[in-house]
Amino acid sequence: DTGVSQDPRHKITKRGQNVTFRCDPISEHNRLYWYRQTLGQGPEFLTYFQNEAQLEKSRLLSDRFSAERPKGSFSTLEIQRTEQGDSAMYLCASSLERGRGLHEQFFGPGTRLTVL
Amino acid sequence: AQSVTQLDSQVPVFEEAPVELRCNYSSSVSVYLFWYVQYPNQGLQLLLKYLSGSTLVKGINGFEAEFNKSQTSFHLRKPSVHISDTAEYFCAVSEGSGGYQKVTFGTGTKLQVIP
Repeated sequence: DTGVSQDPRHKITKRGQNVTFRCDPISEHNRLYWYRQTLGQGPEFLTYFQNEAQLEKSRLLSDRFSAERPKGSFSTLEIQRTEQGDSAMYLCASSLERGRGLHEQFFGPGTRLTVL
Repeated sequence: AQSVTQLDSQVPVFEEAPVELRCNYSSSVSVYLFWYVQYPNQGLQLLLKYLSGSTLVKGINGFEAEFNKSQTSFHLRKPSVHISDTAEYFCAVSEGSGGYQKVTFGTGTKLQVIP
């Protein structure tokens, strides 16, 4: 399978615990994005990477959230001291940037987080 | 700032009937427009996209959409739906070219195909 993969697919945790999600993009893609999708809403942008550099973060990304892409390949999204409001589907997407023009984003299956 | 409005949160339709899912957008610049489909507990799959050129865009699974600049709309249509089309559909808009192209999604429309 050469698509975007995410692990785990589901995560149940207790409030206050830390969680970490992983995203493996399509291998040649240099851009990687994280989105959050809550029930009844469309995906909302959280952050994106160009290779290993994190270039933009949404205001939705509080101090408890941190994302890394250390070698410009896979990425991790960590949430510290989880709150019930963090319950959502976390989607990862990747794209290949080739200069001007559209860079289609390919989405992974998502990680569904439930905070009890 | 760009935004997307999907007025219909749910659309029930009988199998083999036609369907239209509505999408309106607002943007101050030229945009790219997309429709994505999401099946339960899965990520998003691109159905079709409008970049430029012909305003009628054909996508996968028999879907098509028409870009109407004057009405700022990008409605999705299918002449005859199948049970397997039951899913949630998201309209999205992206501004700009080059650099980061922020994608803004609508709130989604759940298509329920009734046998």
